[in-house]
Amino acid sequence: GAVVSQHPSWVICKSGTSVKIECRSLDFQATTMFWYRQFPKQSLMLMATSNEGSKATYEQGVEKDKFLINHASLTLSTLTVTSAHPEDSSFYICSARVGQSYGYTFGSGTRLTVV
Amino acid sequence: GENVEQHPSTLSVQEGDSAVIKCTYSDSASNYFPWYKQELGKRPQLIIDIRSNVGEKKDQRIAVTLNKTAKHFSLHITETQPEDSAVYFCAAMETGSARQLTFGSGTQLTVLP
Repeated sequence: GAVVSQHPSWVICKSGTSVKIECRSLDFQATTMFWYRQFPKQSLMLMATSNEGSKATYEQGVEKDKFLINHASLTLSTLTVTSAHPEDSSFYICSARVGQSYGYTFGSGTRLTVV
Repeated sequence: GENVEQHPSTLSVQEGDSAVIKCTYSDSASNYFPWYKQELGKRPQLIIDIRSNVGEKKDQRIAVTLNKTAKHFSLHITETQPEDSAVYFCAAMETGSARQLTFGSGTQLTVLP
């Protein structure tokens, strides 16, 4: 089946530094990639929608200059958390729709801890 | 945009009993409603889904019902087992160009042995 590979699975970084998270679609072309953030014991909240070759669409309240999304190819989308702060510590997960089907496939998630 | 509400937030049942989780959605144009099971620190896993042209769908011990008029859908798990313990999320897919999923707030299901 369709697989989205997400890396790293966990990362610890210092405040003020930047962290890049990658999501690759392994056996299909992901025209659209959704980026979610999940705080402990909470739901998945959509941060932004990235489309290959165009600017990402950010949800209200999500700082586009802080959470940089690049979707330069049909198989790779990246999320860079810039100038990370402890409150950015969360579980970040990507998801892509498989072709024109109704199915969505999720990456394995990245646990970000900012110290 | 779409708004999905999910109840209850926690649910404890005895092994072998049934569990029911309910969700409501706001956008009558939404047409796809998946249910996900998420274990701690893991990705959500699709357990069952239903499209708006169907009222009910069943897969072994799991079933989903959809009432389009009332804009609510429910997950039913029968003969619960301890391994069913997890967080369950409902979701609704918007029919805009992005077709993004909006998730409910989640239900922590605990099956007591």
